[in-house]
Amino acid sequence: KAGVTQTPRYLIKTRGQQVTLSCSPISGHRSVSWYQQTPGQGLQFLFEYFSETQRNKGNFPGRFSGRQFSNSRSEMNVSTLELGDSALYLCASSEGLAGQETQYFGPGTRLLVL
Amino acid sequence: LAKTTQPISMDSYEGQEVNITCSHNNIATNDYITWYQQFPSQGPRFIIQGYKTKVTNEVASLFIPADRKSSTLSLPRVSLSDTAVYYCLVGDDSGAGSYQLTFGKGTKLSVIP
Repeated sequence: KAGVTQTPRYLIKTRGQQVTLSCSPISGHRSVSWYQQTPGQGLQFLFEYFSETQRNKGNFPGRFSGRQFSNSRSEMNVSTLELGDSALYLCASSEGLAGQETQYFGPGTRLLVL
Repeated sequence: LAKTTQPISMDSYEGQEVNITCSHNNIATNDYITWYQQFPSQGPRFIIQGYKTKVTNEVASLFIPADRKSSTLSLPRVSLSDTAVYYCLVGDDSGAGSYQLTFGKGTKLSVIP
């Protein structure tokens, strides 16, 4: 099976812009979770989608949003970008709920906000 | 929200056994404990997962006490290629609908020849 794919791999934006990141899970996986990784804060949970419904959400402002499509592909959107949003954004997929199943991670999208 | 804590770094010589412990006080009742390995510029890679007691696979063992408030990843006979950052991941349930998937800050393991 193909692994988790994320597009784009690298992105440069300026403050105030918005960005949409995409994640294609492993075939058959219904859960997609998103994480932000920074040197200072480590890996932080953004949200989890399961069968097109947001199941859980981390402590991030409303500028961070996501959705999941019927084919389980997921997108994450960040509006009004801030310098502090520069990070590696990782998505992970699992067959069932993320806390109860093995998650498989994609390579990440590295976002730089100038 | 309770923290998931693990040591920041560890050094080990090749061929030794390495044990990394993670504390997770508010683990959600139905959730598993999962450990991941991450190399620079890559996404985390699954190592091992368990619910309670001991789990062993071809690369590691995971020890979980009865109260599930901690877990210990054991890497037997490490090699230079095991130099990486190791993370524990749990579902943290502090109540009042505040469930989150929580990573530890990661333990940077350096294997010395």
